[in-house]
Amino acid sequence: EVQLLESGGGLVQPGGSLRLSCAGSGFPFDNYVMGWVRQAPGKGLEWVSVISASGVLSYSADSVKGRFIISRDNSKNTVYLQMNSLTAEDTALYYCAKAPQNRGWQFDYWGQGSLVTVSS
Amino acid sequence: QSALTQPASVSGSPGQSITISCTGTSSDVGSSDFVCWFQQHPGKAPQLIIYDVSERPSGVSNRFSGSKSGNTASLTISGLQAEDEADYYCSSYTTSNTRVFGTGTEVTVL
Repeated sequence: EVQLLESGGGLVQPGGSLRLSCAGSGFPFDNYVMGWVRQAPGKGLEWVSVISASGVLSYSADSVKGRFIISRDNSKNTVYLQMNSLTAEDTALYYCAKAPQNRGWQFDYWGQGSLVTVSS
Repeated sequence: QSALTQPASVSGSPGQSITISCTGTSSDVGSSDFVCWFQQHPGKAPQLIIYDVSERPSGVSNRFSGSKSGNTASLTISGLQAEDEADYYCSSYTTSNTRVFGTGTEVTVL
């Protein structure tokens, strides 16, 4: 059974940093693209970032480019999202998701999310 | 990258068919074979119900079907059931090597 378990969310002050982690199990982790999608309270889904199966390539939305860094450790079956210079607009539930390679990052399994709240 | 445009809400009676539109541009929906749809129940994570424009993942009801014409993708739910009441999001790969989601549609079963 595929499982994605996010951790690392919490309350952070504006301008602060936070690192989210997502541990995957039940599938060959190093064969899949991994990514992050967020959802602000009461709002829609927003694509954040993806990283290739090998970790060599990554892409991010303009809204987080230069502030968020996605990475992965295939030896630990874990993907990370380092979030810097956080603002109130980054407050959201952050979902980790997996996607088959070469299929345009269509996420087929999602975690339950990790809540990030940016507030003073 | 602007969000794809979906109707805010769509409703139908049990047994009816409804269609949700998803309008983008030639830089996303119009040029991508990688359009997908997600269903999200309140408090739950999104679930993939359509990928590659019209393919259904294993286990997804054949009452869900997808299509695309030009810059607009569509999701049709036939034989509407109470359990279909949820939010639905389309998503497309873009020519900028990013993905974009739709604005979301709330489906109500009357």
